[in-house]
Amino acid sequence: AQKITQTQPGMFVQEKEAVTLDCTYDTSDPSYGLFWYKQPSSGEMIFLIYQGSYDQQNATEGRYSLNFQKARKSANLVISASQLGDSAMYFCAMRENTGTASKLTFGTGTRLQVTL
Amino acid sequence: NAGVTQTPKFRVLKTGQSMTLLCAQDMNHEYMYWYRQDPGMGLRLIHYSVGEGTTAKGEVPDGYNVSRLKKQNFLLGLESAAPSQTSVYFCASSKRPGRSTDTQYFGPGTRLTVL
Repeated sequence: AQKITQTQPGMFVQEKEAVTLDCTYDTSDPSYGLFWYKQPSSGEMIFLIYQGSYDQQNATEGRYSLNFQKARKSANLVISASQLGDSAMYFCAMRENTGTASKLTFGTGTRLQVTL
Repeated sequence: NAGVTQTPKFRVLKTGQSMTLLCAQDMNHEYMYWYRQDPGMGLRLIHYSVGEGTTAKGEVPDGYNVSRLKKQNFLLGLESAAPSQTSVYFCASSKRPGRSTDTQYFGPGTRLTVL
């Protein structure tokens, strides 16, 4: 079974609009972390935002916010006021505390295209 | 501050050749990781290290070996390259798990083609 599911292979959004990228996860570990990374066409992986499973409030980082719904096991990324530079692949990832190392499991990504 | 660096950035190998990818980090992180990224599959963990002198297998370890002789370096080796190992390889490091945020920081990637 997929541990991280991103059901949107591609999304379009107009500049200055908000967009939500979906992510659902599956784990039996009560302590886990959820991450979003951005991968522009240049290829590097850029950390955007983190949400801990025990965090009471949704994480925010500038124009990025994470809509965390624990009961639904979803961790959607919301980008407000989209910019052309937001065009990229976006990956959702989960960290489970397995053994002595915390390993990340990635989803397959969503390609976001911001249009004028 | 360089963060995580990877050498080389690109490489083309013939089937059966060997090579080593080097990852270096200057953030004094304890943990280091090697991932591969294939189209439509996201990133998958190959091997990881929880400290100098230790390594462990990830999700897709077959065909790869690793070594962590120094805290700041993590080497990924391919002893006999196969076309199925054509991929983009990412190295990452993190400070230490157990903190509320154990963010992994990634290098720029190495694009490897095996003919």
